[in-house]
This record gives sequence, structure tokens and C-alpha cells, in this order.
Amino acid sequence: EAGVTQSPTHLIKTRGQQATLRCSPISGHTSVYWYQQALGLGLQFLLWYDEGEERNRGNFPPRFSGRQFPNYSSELNVNALELEDSALYLCASSLIQGGEKLFFGSGTQLSVL
Amino acid sequence: RKEVEQDPGPFNVPEGATVAFNCTYSNSASQSFFWYRQDCRKEPKLLMSVYSSGNEDGRFTAQLNRASQYISLLIRDSKLSDSATYLCVVNMYGGSQGNLIFGKGTKLSVKP
Repeated sequence: EAGVTQSPTHLIKTRGQQATLRCSPISGHTSVYWYQQALGLGLQFLLWYDEGEERNRGNFPPRFSGRQFPNYSSELNVNALELEDSALYLCASSLIQGGEKLFFGSGTQLSVL
Repeated sequence: RKEVEQDPGPFNVPEGATVAFNCTYSNSASQSFFWYRQDCRKEPKLLMSVYSSGNEDGRFTAQLNRASQYISLLIRDSKLSDSATYLCVVNMYGGSQGNLIFGKGTKLSVKP
């Protein structure tokens, strides 16, 4: 069974540009979560999608947004990139709504120059 | 007080040693607790859930102390392959919030 897949693996952008990150959950999982892991910091919760709806978001500005598609895959969009957005962005999925046991993808390393 | 706090380490131990990590959490109403493991430049993976009565999985033992708001992870007979960062994770607000709170992790290095 395929795990959570994320693309691209690496993404290099410049300040002010937009970045789009993609995630496909494990088959049968309807909940998708996005986390940011900046160097030296813990995982910070960004967004939770379930059944196509945004259910909760963390303490991030509105330029961080996303969506979930009917096949439960998800996109994270970051507009007006800033240097401090450089981080590993991890997507996770769970079988149970609400994120009890998460299965993570290997992440997208976003570098903003 | 931070929501989930861990000693960052690193813990440098020889093979075969027993090592324990603690983690404290701020919300006494927190409902469920987990330990995740994250290898260098890899994604976190669930190691084990933590139950009120304490639970064991091979060389790993997890315990919860609700009164003192901390959880612990004990690793016996450490292996080189146990070298990783161990993340304490708390479901602090219940399933309706959908976000697990992660500690920054404790780094373990097991030496030959």
C-alpha cells in the first residue's frame, strides 16, 4: 500500500513568489494535515482538511492557504513568500477524523531566496 | 509555559544503556498522547501511543502521569538504530480541533 506522497521534494523560490505544494494521502484516509518544520523548531500545525472542507488552521497568516480535492489529495499554497517561510513542509493523513495517529509524507523542502 | 516541552538533549549513550525522556504538557484536559520518532532529514513516524495505565512495546515503555502532566519514554538495551529524535505529541484540544501539538524533540545518539 502506498504511503503519503508529497511533491515536489524540493522547491526553490524567491521572495514575493508563490509556492504550491501537493499531497496525496493514504488510500482510504480522508483527513489531511499540513505542518511546517523550520530548522531548529518543532512541527507547527498549519491546516487540517477533511472531506473537502477546511476544519481548522494554525496560527499562520492568510497567505498560507490550501484546499482538498474530491479524491482527498490536497494542495498547500503560500503566497508572497518571505525568507522565513523556508522550511520542511510535511503533509500527514489519518484514518480517523481529528488526527489521532498521523502518517507523514517525506515532505517538501521549500527554500526562499 | 510552552504547550509541550521536552529536553532537547542530545542524549549520548552507549549501546545497551537504558535511557529515559520526559515531556511536560500545559493543558490538563489533554486527551491523548503519543511518541513519534524522526530520523535525520526524514518524516516523523508513530512509535507508540501512551495509555493511562502505561504500556510497553518490546524495549520501549511509555508512561503517563496526569497529575503532574508529563509523559515519559524509557528505552532499554539501546541499539545503534535507536539514534533519532523522539517527539512528544499531545492531542491537546480533542478531535474536534484536529491538530496534534508536537514538542521540539529530544535527540538520542547511541554510540558503539
